[in-house]
Amino acid sequence: DSGVTQTPKHLITATGQRVTLRCSPRSGDLSVYWYQQSLDQGLQFLIQYYNGEERAKGNILERFSAQQFPDLHSELNLSSLELGDSALYFCASSVATETDTQYFGPGTRLTVL
Amino acid sequence: AQKVTQAQTEISVVEKEDVTLDCVYETRDTTYYLFWYKQPPSGELVFLIRRNSFDEQNEISGRYSWNFQKSTSSFNFTITASQVVDSAVYFCALSGTNLGMNYGGSQGNLIFGKGTKLSVKP
Repeated sequence: DSGVTQTPKHLITATGQRVTLRCSPRSGDLSVYWYQQSLDQGLQFLIQYYNGEERAKGNILERFSAQQFPDLHSELNLSSLELGDSALYFCASSVATETDTQYFGPGTRLTVL
Repeated sequence: AQKVTQAQTEISVVEKEDVTLDCVYETRDTTYYLFWYKQPPSGELVFLIRRNSFDEQNEISGRYSWNFQKSTSSFNFTITASQVVDSAVYFCALSGTNLGMNYGGSQGNLIFGKGTKLSVKP
């Protein structure tokens, strides 16, 4: 158990809908990262937050957004969902930033029908 | 740009065999970190090791060992006396530290290889 929690574990929804994925980092970790894992793209970095502020952005679509709250938990919002958004979404956390090990949560499997 | 290549897509071995998973990386960062993660069939990503670019010493942890060679930009992972529980997808990843450089540096996020699926048969 990494100490990173993600909810829900599974999510099934329809095209055009909006969903919110939630992540709680390990106790004491200030950075939260979101990654998407799909069969065709592999594991791709989406976005990073550090102590409530956006720190780095990767291949995140404009339909996707994220935020980190004062209690350091984070939410990833996916809107206008398409079939191609079906993937495993991971949250990771680290103590601070780029020199630290990222510990991953169990992931949320999103299926868009 | 940063890149991680795991040329072996799938490897199948019989229990108790030794197996080496290859990882080759590309980076222009002067300081960087390399990682291995394991993804068992249950799906979670489990951290195995982190190594910084200044530490080229090999590391051994039980049946696992890692060989980092800066000269060949490789960070290979060997499992000795493999077991069925080692069956998983293994990912090599790279993280850079040169913030603000406008060449596509990772700025701390992980760049993953495509992964190597290891099947250990009894």
